[in-house]
Amino acid sequence: QVQLVESGGGVVQPGRSLRLSCAASGFTFSSYAMHWVRQAPGKGLEWVANIWSDGINTYYADFVKGRFTISRDTSKSTLYLQMNSLRAEDTAMYYCARDRAHDAIDVWGQGTTVTVSS
Amino acid sequence: EIVMTQSPATLSVSPGERATLSCRASQSVSSNLAWYQQKPGQTPRLLIYGASTRVTGFPARFSGSGYGTDFTLTISSLQSEDFAVYYCQQYNNWPLYTFGQGTKLEIK
Repeated sequence: QVQLVESGGGVVQPGRSLRLSCAASGFTFSSYAMHWVRQAPGKGLEWVANIWSDGINTYYADFVKGRFTISRDTSKSTLYLQMNSLRAEDTAMYYCARDRAHDAIDVWGQGTTVTVSS
Repeated sequence: EIVMTQSPATLSVSPGERATLSCRASQSVSSNLAWYQQKPGQTPRLLIYGASTRVTGFPARFSGSGYGTDFTLTISSLQSEDFAVYYCQQYNNWPLYTFGQGTKLEIK
């Protein structure tokens, strides 16, 4: 079945880095654009970044631009999010998500928790 | 940036009654709007896309409508499993998504 499994979350000090991974299975990973979406504790959904199926085109929310980098490894069917210069406000559950057809998100991972705290 | 505003923030409805949730965009998004359902402790699930196309697996009591800037999610006869938080999302500016802040649908 179609599945996205995130990993790499944890507790990190402000200013440090973390890399999230998302292992995809059950579908042709190379054919889909992918996203990272986050949700702070008790808050709503917030789009973070997108990467096209070609792995070349990437887009970011303004609040992470210059700090986060999205990438993908088609040979491993894995999506990444490199997060640098982390701030307390980056504390959230981070979801890996599949783009349906250049429109909505049709598959969500279970999420991985990132806590930025000293 | 397109801002999505949902109302009300919390909606209290009795089982069996109709629920109407609203979503407004700060500028036209045509029909490029999706709705998601999120239950406590669970991941969001795509419910509707294209403003009105219901995803397989959701019953017909869920319906979406609207175009441009004003959208509505209607649940015709609430069941216990429908109580959740619902988010709207625009993708007119794909891939620069924006979500509404959510409407919590709770049991009255």
